[in-house]
Amino acid sequence: KAGVTQTPRYLIKTRGQQVTLSCSPISGHRSVSWYQQTPGQGLQFLFEYFSETQRNKGNFPGRFSGRQFSNSRSEMNVSTLELGDSALYLCASTDRDMNTEAFFGQGTRLTVV
Amino acid sequence: GQNIDQPTEMTATEGAIVQINCTYQTSGFNGLFWYQQHAGEAPTFLSYNVLDGLEEKGRFSSFLSRSKGYSYLLLKELQMKDSASYLCAVRVSYNTDKLIFGTGTRLQVFP
Repeated sequence: KAGVTQTPRYLIKTRGQQVTLSCSPISGHRSVSWYQQTPGQGLQFLFEYFSETQRNKGNFPGRFSGRQFSNSRSEMNVSTLELGDSALYLCASTDRDMNTEAFFGQGTRLTVV
Repeated sequence: GQNIDQPTEMTATEGAIVQINCTYQTSGFNGLFWYQQHAGEAPTFLSYNVLDGLEEKGRFSSFLSRSKGYSYLLLKELQMKDSASYLCAVRVSYNTDKLIFGTGTRLQVFP
């Protein structure tokens, strides 16, 4: 079984631009969560999607948004990028029917200059 | 509020045993997870506790006391490859996969 796939792996953007990150969960997993990881803050929860519905949202500004498609693939978008958005963005998928652990992708390393 | 505390850094010697503690104060509780993360890599699952007691998996064990809001991860027979960050995370409800993470404990194993 393929793992969680995130694309792209690395991105460099300038302030004010927007960015879209993609996550393909493990086949059969319908739950996808996104996290931001920075050295000082650790992993911070962004959103959670299940069957195309956002079930939870973390304490991030409205510039951060996401969605999930019918095939469970998910995207997150950050508009009007700021320097502080530089981070590793991790996606995790879970088999809710089995109530098991979350499996993480390799992440997208976003650098805002 | 949600709060999870773990030590920032620990060091140990190859072959030794190390215990990484985690205390939590969360609005709910539906399981505690430990993940290992090597630099530049994805977090990988180590263990899961939802009931009080000890869960053992090879060289790794994890303990949970729900009444004390406390868990620890025990690593035995340390190897150099165990040098990594160890993340403690709590799932606060059955109806969500949202995890609240501590800031992680960076473990360095020396020969």
